[in-house]
Amino acid sequence: GQNIDQPTEMTATEGAIVQINCTYQTSGFNGLFWYQQHAGEAPTFLSYNVLDGLEEKGRFSSFLSRSKGYSYLLLKELQMKDSASYLCAVRAQANQAGTALIFGKGTTLSVSS
Amino acid sequence: EAGVAQSPRYKIIEKRQSVAFWCNPISGHATLYWYQQILGQGPKLLIQFQNNGVVDDSQLPKDRFSAERLKGVDSTLKIQPAKLEDSAVYLCASSLGGKAGARSPLHFGNGTRLTVT
Repeated sequence: GQNIDQPTEMTATEGAIVQINCTYQTSGFNGLFWYQQHAGEAPTFLSYNVLDGLEEKGRFSSFLSRSKGYSYLLLKELQMKDSASYLCAVRAQANQAGTALIFGKGTTLSVSS
Repeated sequence: EAGVAQSPRYKIIEKRQSVAFWCNPISGHATLYWYQQILGQGPKLLIQFQNNGVVDDSQLPKDRFSAERLKGVDSTLKIQPAKLEDSAVYLCASSLGGKAGARSPLHFGNGTRLTVT
């Protein structure tokens, strides 16, 4: 079966750094995505990893270890607007047609002042 | 570039009634997806289209749900008859097709929030 695990909730304060972990067990692997979803809104794309290592994009970074089935999203210099749900998603198929993503349940991050 | 358009934004119906949702993907995106997101959970794939053909509908409850993308552009998802457990947000997403699609993210619309009473 397909399984993606991430913590349900996390809290942090403005200006801090937070790391959201994600572990996955899927039948195949062709990339891992992180999405941000504010309450009542659509998920928006944050990052994509297909090779091991760290991808940095401004205040957000994402790391992947394929051998461990593990990823994390690192958010630096937290701002109140970063309060949202963060979704980890895996593309399990490698062919052109099988491009759908399998999502975890999401991690709700609350940032306080 | 215009994003993924969905309508209606909200819908309230009684159980056993029918409902339809509409989606227009980003121009040039060959692949279209319908996801169901129940409160507190991640999105779950219902059906994936590549142009006007179905790629994956293994998780679509076919006794009550149907979807079509007749001209390979916009799409309609229908539920008939609705059940209480169908209350959720229905998200439409699109992505590039072909070789580029294997590495491209999904772009989501704002969704339709369905409440079945």
